[in-house]
Amino acid sequence: TQLLEQSPQFLSIQEGENLTVYCNSSSVFSSLQWYRQEPGEGPVLLVTVVTGGEVKKLKRLTFQFGDARKDSSLHITAAQPGDTGLYLCAGPLSGGYNKLIFGAGTRLAVHP
Amino acid sequence: DAGVTQSPTHLIKTRGQHVTLRCSPISGHKSVSWYQQVLGQGPQFIFQYYEKEERGRGNFPDRFSARQFPNYSSELNVNALLLGDSALYLCASSLTGDVSIEAFFGQGTRLTVV
Repeated sequence: TQLLEQSPQFLSIQEGENLTVYCNSSSVFSSLQWYRQEPGEGPVLLVTVVTGGEVKKLKRLTFQFGDARKDSSLHITAAQPGDTGLYLCAGPLSGGYNKLIFGAGTRLAVHP
Repeated sequence: DAGVTQSPTHLIKTRGQHVTLRCSPISGHKSVSWYQQVLGQGPQFIFQYYEKEERGRGNFPDRFSARQFPNYSSELNVNALLLGDSALYLCASSLTGDVSIEAFFGQGTRLTVV
């Protein structure tokens, strides 16, 4: 069974701090996606990582895909209150087609 | 351009009732997927439709059913509602059913079963 575990579950930090959230699995994924979800909204795709060892940067966000394609991390530099939200990682379920398995998410609160 | 639209946005139903949720994909998108997100958890895959055919089903009971219409819009039906069906139901649309193609989520329908 494919599972994605995210840690930590909750993170409360002050503006300007750095943070890293993790997404781990015992299964190999062909790709992993990171989403951010705000209250009352659907998830919004931030990035897709495909190649083992890949690092992608999106402004202050850095995403890394593990060499074995079983884990990923999201690092935020100098967090801002606008970064507050639920960060979800997701990977394709075996069997193809656009069906994803999601982790439970990391809920981030950045305080001014 | 209109994104994925879902209706209604909020719904309150009684145990044992039936509910129909609706989704209109982005224009030109032919694939629609449905997800259930229980409070405090990530979305869980329910169904995927592509070109009006079911292409995937998650681990949900037969009380859950769906269909896709010729205009690619979709309905999710849930019969004999249980308290545990209370959740945010998300619809995602994509150009094709390929997992490498980005899916865009609607804002969801918040279903409360009392």
